Amino acid sequence: KNEVEQSPQNLTAQEGEFITINCSYSVGISALHWLQQHPGGGIVSLFMLSSGKKKHGRLIATINIQEKHSSLHITASHPRDSAVYICAVFPNSGGGADGLTFGKGTHLIIQP
Amino acid sequence: EPEVTQTPSHQVTQMGQEVILRCVPISNHLYFYWYRQILGQKVEFLVSFYNNEISEKSEIFDDQFSVERPDGSNFTLKIRSTKLEDSAMYFCASSGQGGGNTEAFFGQGTRLTVV
Repeated sequence: KNEVEQSPQNLTAQEGEFITINCSYSVGISALHWLQQHPGGGIVSLFMLSSGKKKHGRLIATINIQEKHSSLHITASHPRDSAVYICAVFPNSGGGADGLTFGKGTHLIIQP
Repeated sequence: EPEVTQTPSHQVTQMGQEVILRCVPISNHLYFYWYRQILGQKVEFLVSFYNNEISEKSEIFDDQFSVERPDGSNFTLKIRSTKLEDSAMYFCASSGQGGGNTEAFFGQGTRLTVV
């Protein structure tokens, strides 16, 4: 069974701090997604990774396929970054249209 | 920017009633998904749809659920006889390719409340 574990579950930080959210998964995957969910509930895709590192603005995502681990970093955090950050993976089951398996999310609060 | 749209944003229904949740995926996408999120819990996969048929479904997606792409643009999720435990946020998503190696675009969700 594919498990996706995120840490920490909750994180409160001061504006400007460097933030790291971790994700570990248990099975082989074809890709890993980092998603952002705001209080209204909508989900926005931040990154899709299958290897290495990606950067978009102040967000950086890395993945280590051998260790089955990914991290999401936020540099110079800002209160508008406050949201739930969710890690989700596509398993390597060969189905081609399998759905994502989600972690429970990390609830991030950035205080001014 | 293309987006996935879902209607309604919030639906309240009585237990035992049928509900249809509607989604308009991004127009050139081929893979469509429904997910649900019970309040306070993680998002769970329900079903994937490709080439006008179900590709994969989870244990949650029992006989009470069905999906349809009636007219080439809409993608619907029907719950035949709603139960209290069906109360959740339901998300539609679409992608240009399967296998996870492409970005998934999510709708804003439909909050279903069964009373």
